[in-house]
Amino acid sequence: DIQMTQSPSSLSASVGDRVTITCRASQSISSYLNWYQQKPGKAPKLLIYATSSLQSGVPSRFSGSGSGTDFTLTISSLQREDFATYYCQQSYSTPYTFGQGTKLEIK
Amino acid sequence: QVQLVESGGGVVQPGRSLRLSCAASGFAFSSYAVHWVRQAPGKGLEWVTVISYDGTKKDYADSVKGRFTISRDNSKNTLYLQMNSLRTEDTAIYYCAREAVGGYDALPYKWFDPWGQGTLVTVSS
Repeated sequence: DIQMTQSPSSLSASVGDRVTITCRASQSISSYLNWYQQKPGKAPKLLIYATSSLQSGVPSRFSGSGSGTDFTLTISSLQREDFATYYCQQSYSTPYTFGQGTKLEIK
Repeated sequence: QVQLVESGGGVVQPGRSLRLSCAASGFAFSSYAVHWVRQAPGKGLEWVTVISYDGTKKDYADSVKGRFTISRDNSKNTLYLQMNSLRTEDTAIYYCAREAVGGYDALPYKWFDPWGQGTLVTVSS
């Protein structure tokens, strides 16, 4: 199975900050990497698919990059509604494993 | 609008069975593969199983293989998860999610969108 490791596990930031979350795969997954946002008590929501494609309706302050084993999710200017937990997921092969999550909290 | 609604969760004793349902609406259900993903209380997301659009292909996580069975009824726009021999570690919110496919590299790109709201399964004596 492909292991996905996110860092950091938690992060404190302020409104307006630029934030980067990293996701590393245990083997190359090319660009088969997705990002989801989950708020407490809610289902995950797709943000970015295929490493860098922004899902319709997602604000442009979210962006993704990377290839192979190393990927990043960047939020260019944090807004209050962005405080949530973020998960990466590989869709290269089943089981479609997720990272352990990064909890983004208000400083 | 495109929607998935899970049902069937509840409290069940270890070793017993439970069947979850996921009702789809707002899209051509029979054209999409669908997944189950679970989340233990306070934990991360764990992929559980997938079924192809026509029900002919299925895949399972090792943690549920031989105990869980995924199925679908395209005439009813409904996905199912039959869970047998339940264990305390199966306690989780269970989400169904539609698989979207787009673009191609060596393989098609796949992602999950949308997700249902989830149904809680608690395995406890």
